[in-house]
Amino acid sequence: GNSVTQMEGPVTLSEEAFLTINCTYTATGYPSLFWYVQYPGEGLQLLLKATKADDKGSNKGFEATYRKETTSFHLEKGSVQVSDSAVYFCALSDPMSGGYQKVTFGTGTKLQVIP
Amino acid sequence: DTGVSQNPRHKITKRGQNVTFRCDPISEHNRLYWYRQTLGQGPEFLTYFQNEAQLEKSRLLSDRFSAERPKGSFSTLEIQRTEQGDSAMYLCASSTDTTYEQYFGPGTRLTVT
Repeated sequence: GNSVTQMEGPVTLSEEAFLTINCTYTATGYPSLFWYVQYPGEGLQLLLKATKADDKGSNKGFEATYRKETTSFHLEKGSVQVSDSAVYFCALSDPMSGGYQKVTFGTGTKLQVIP
Repeated sequence: DTGVSQNPRHKITKRGQNVTFRCDPISEHNRLYWYRQTLGQGPEFLTYFQNEAQLEKSRLLSDRFSAERPKGSFSTLEIQRTEQGDSAMYLCASSTDTTYEQYFGPGTRLTVT
């Protein structure tokens, strides 16, 4: 079956530090990959996506590249801000698994950015 | 803003009671999903609708759980005879047929005492 493994948190960084959150996946087909962000007390928001190998998703200074050879989709940001403090979820959608777009999520990584 | 909305946002109930949650998807989205999220975990898929048809149910969805989407617009999720293990955040999401992107609502937090 499909699965997503992401690094455990919490991750604590100082403002303007470089961020990497690792994510690897297992899928039966050719999945689309996503990063979702969940701010305290809110629902999930789609942060970025990539639908095929070597695609780079980017949004709000965050980037992630779909690496099929290493089955990875690591999230990076060059300079984090306090407002980036949230829980980040790596996820995949595999059309081969039933023909619909069920999303499989990782367990989430909590990021805390301190001033 | 015409995002996904869910009501109520919070529900506290006693064990054994029935509860019902509502989800209103983005109006042009014909796919609707329910997920459950427990503390410290990612959301887990529960069930999925294409218009009014319920096309998939997870093994997580015991027979105490039932979901409907009678007119292909809003959906309800009912839990009968609630148990403490049902305490979680219940998330709804919607999407179109042509994109992989799911848009999530704010969730309903259920606490069973």
